[in-house]
Amino acid sequence: GQNIDQPTEMTATEGAIVQINCTYQTSGFNGLFWYQQHAGEAPTFLSYNVLDGLEEKGRFSSFLSRSKGYSYLLLKELQMKDSASYLCAVRAPPGRGSTLGRLYFGRGTQLTVWP
Amino acid sequence: GAVVSQHPSRVICKSGTSVKIECRSLDFQATTMFWYRQFPKKSLMLMATSNEGSKATYEQGVEKDKFLINHASLTLSTLTVTSAHPEDSSFYICSAKLRDRENYGYTFGSGTRLTVV
Repeated sequence: GQNIDQPTEMTATEGAIVQINCTYQTSGFNGLFWYQQHAGEAPTFLSYNVLDGLEEKGRFSSFLSRSKGYSYLLLKELQMKDSASYLCAVRAPPGRGSTLGRLYFGRGTQLTVWP
Repeated sequence: GAVVSQHPSRVICKSGTSVKIECRSLDFQATTMFWYRQFPKKSLMLMATSNEGSKATYEQGVEKDKFLINHASLTLSTLTVTSAHPEDSSFYICSAKLRDRENYGYTFGSGTRLTVV
């Protein structure tokens, strides 16, 4: 089966840095995505890693270690608007029913940013 | 950027009736559409994958006669919840595969909040 684990909730203050971890055990790997989702809205893309290492994009960075089945999303200079759920998703290799592999989502980490 | 328009955003229906949810890709061709449901504070669970012009592939445990998926064109995919029950109340989201965008891969609709009373 597929198992993607991330903390349920985290809190932080404005201006701080927060790291959201994600560990995964999946049969096959073809990339890892991080999405941001506000309540009642669709997920929006944040980052993508397929090779080991750090990908930096503005205030957001994402790290991947394939050998450890581990990723983290780093958010710097936190703002109130960053309060949301952050979803870690692993993409399976192309297979049944899809030429581009399906995503397996973690249950999301609810981040609350306090003033 | 690529946009998927999902309608309706909210719907309330009576038990036993059917509800259709539409997802349209506005400025690109969606060869593959994924349909998810999400319970409060839970993960997105893939229900089915549909490819234009062919039958949808359903995930284990998802009743294909209850959740009818049609992907008749490259810009429209629909999910019909038939004979809805209160336990079908959930947040349904579609996601389209972006052709030739390996790194990004997918764009999501805005979701449909279904409440069955």
